[in-house]
Amino acid sequence: NAGVTQTPKFRVLKTGQSMTLLCAQDMNHEYMYWYRQDPGMGLRLIHYSVGEGTTAKGEVPDGYNVSRLKKQNFLLGLESAAPSQTSVYFCASSYSGESGTQYFGPGTRLLVL
Amino acid sequence: GESVGLHLPTLSVQEGDNSIINCAYSNSASDYFIWYKQESGKGPQFIIDIRSNMDKRQGQRVTVLLNKTVKHLSLQIAATQPGDSAVYFCAEKGGDAGNMLTFGGGTRLMVKP
Repeated sequence: NAGVTQTPKFRVLKTGQSMTLLCAQDMNHEYMYWYRQDPGMGLRLIHYSVGEGTTAKGEVPDGYNVSRLKKQNFLLGLESAAPSQTSVYFCASSYSGESGTQYFGPGTRLLVL
Repeated sequence: GESVGLHLPTLSVQEGDNSIINCAYSNSASDYFIWYKQESGKGPQFIIDIRSNMDKRQGQRVTVLLNKTVKHLSLQIAATQPGDSAVYFCAEKGGDAGNMLTFGGGTRLMVKP
């Protein structure tokens, strides 16, 4: 049982490039989330999904897109990366929205030059 | 807008002493609170939670206290160990955020041997 995994662990992009971050969970959780964490700050919700085939905007969705084609995977896409998107990205999952216990992945560190 | 915040950004304690990490919240409609621990280079890890119908909950070496009158949450760690060194986040759920978690900015706990 690996829990929540994220790939890649680290990536450097040039402004304007695109990339996709992959999150996978093997706990059969319905809910999945993408957060970003900037230095000295807490986590801010980018997008989330309450089930396969559904996505919704969080607090800071601009510049990102997501897809949940399979229950176990949640993809975060950056179509045209900007330096302001330099951050550490965390994926999380939970059994339901009622339970606040979200299980987090190890994070993806992204640097946009 | 309403937010979750922490009083102290850094807390330094001696090994073996008790630690108290504080959190103020302003959303009176929040009904669920969680403490997460984040070690360097890792994702947040669930520590303990508490619902708004309780004022105290104990775990292994940790206790969470909730004072709804003054909208204050605290995490107490007994006999602090070097492995407790991390950043601690409080998070709240409920109110305008619905089932989504709102995270505070974090407090860094440093344990001196």
